[in-house]
Amino acid sequence: QKEVEQNSGPLSVPEGAIASLNCTYSDRGSQSFFWYRQYSGKSPELIMFIYSNGDKEDGRFTAQLNKASQYVSLLIRDSQPSDSATYLCAVNNPGNTPLVFGKGTRLSVIA
Amino acid sequence: ETGVTQTPRHLVMGMTNKKSLKCEQHLGHNAMYWYKQSAKKPLELMFVYNFKEQTENNSVPSRFSPECPNSSHLFLHLHTLQPEDSALYLCASSQDRSPDTQYFGPGTRLTVL
Repeated sequence: QKEVEQNSGPLSVPEGAIASLNCTYSDRGSQSFFWYRQYSGKSPELIMFIYSNGDKEDGRFTAQLNKASQYVSLLIRDSQPSDSATYLCAVNNPGNTPLVFGKGTRLSVIA
Repeated sequence: ETGVTQTPRHLVMGMTNKKSLKCEQHLGHNAMYWYKQSAKKPLELMFVYNFKEQTENNSVPSRFSPECPNSSHLFLHLHTLQPEDSALYLCASSQDRSPDTQYFGPGTRLTVL
């Protein structure tokens, strides 16, 4: 069974610190990796996607992918209280199948 | 807010009622999805439509009936639901089924009494 695993948290970090969110996946053939942010009571919002090994930066966000270790992470620099949300990792597996989502990690940034 | 809209945003229904959820996407996408999100559970994919054809049905009970009249509209017809069906129902769309980013609507918060 294809799975995406995330620590449910909550992950608490002080304002201004780096928040590190981690995700592992079971299907070695997975090709595309997505991070969504979901505020309480709201729908998921796409933050970043990454296809290749290495780092991809967008503003305060950096996605890191290591296909050999089947590991994708999201770093949030200079964390702000407004970053407090649940972060969902999603993985696209080969074979024209829909995204597989993890349970999400709840992040709390303390002012 | 987004290119995917959902109505109603909140719905309370009894177990004997029949209601429908509506989703519309204004992004020119070809694929549309229904997800269920319950508390402390991951997103559960319910149905996938690609070019109006249903391509996935993840063992969803027959009391949930999807309808996709065209690539821009998606409905979820509800009848004789159970209290455990109370959840946030999310619609999403993408350009193609795979691989591609999905964009979500705001969701319908459903409560079954």
